[in-house]
Amino acid sequence: AQTVTQSQPEMSVQEAETVTLSCTYDTSESNYYLFWYKQPPSRQMILVIRQEAYKQQNATENRFSVNFQKAAKSFSLKISDSQLGDTAMYFCAFMKHANSGNTPLVFGKGTRLSVIA
Amino acid sequence: DAMVIQNPRYQVTQFGKPVTLSCSQTLNHNVMYWYQQKSSQAPKLLFHYYDKDFNNEADTPDNFQSRRPNTSFCFLDIRSPGLGDAAMYLCATSSTLPGETQYFGPGTRLLVL
Repeated sequence: AQTVTQSQPEMSVQEAETVTLSCTYDTSESNYYLFWYKQPPSRQMILVIRQEAYKQQNATENRFSVNFQKAAKSFSLKISDSQLGDTAMYFCAFMKHANSGNTPLVFGKGTRLSVIA
Repeated sequence: DAMVIQNPRYQVTQFGKPVTLSCSQTLNHNVMYWYQQKSSQAPKLLFHYYDKDFNNEADTPDNFQSRRPNTSFCFLDIRSPGLGDAAMYLCATSSTLPGETQYFGPGTRLLVL
């Protein structure tokens, strides 16, 4: 079974600064996908960024980027130029590859990020 | 806009009184999921449908059931809600392409009195 660990229950960052959220995972799979989801207070969960394990290049989406270290089973999220709207719970999630169909996500426990003005 | 819709957004029920939560989607996705999320915790998968094939997680209580009458709609039935079932219930959908993103609805917050 796969597990996802987020070791930082809460973090805070000043507006315009950079913050890194940590995520490690455990799996025996060689092909899989990793995700960061954002859940703002009282709002729905949305995808922040996605990484395919077979791709060495780290995914980026505007101010969001990841540091994917496959050997270390580490998948951290970096948020640059933090904005007040980035305040949310962030979940790291793992999905193993299946040739046909999709497989369920395994979530970490989340990191609550507060951006301070 | 294509989306995942959950109704109602808030549901109050009495201890032991059956309740049904609904989810609809305009994404035409084959896969639909129901998650339970308690305060400040990660979502916990209850079950998912791959088309009409129902997949129940091993630790999902028998008190929870689901129906998917067509591609667009999925229902979560809680037969006899207990106080411990108070939570946010999230519906999500995805295509069948490997590794595809799941799209979440806004959730239904269930309160059991």
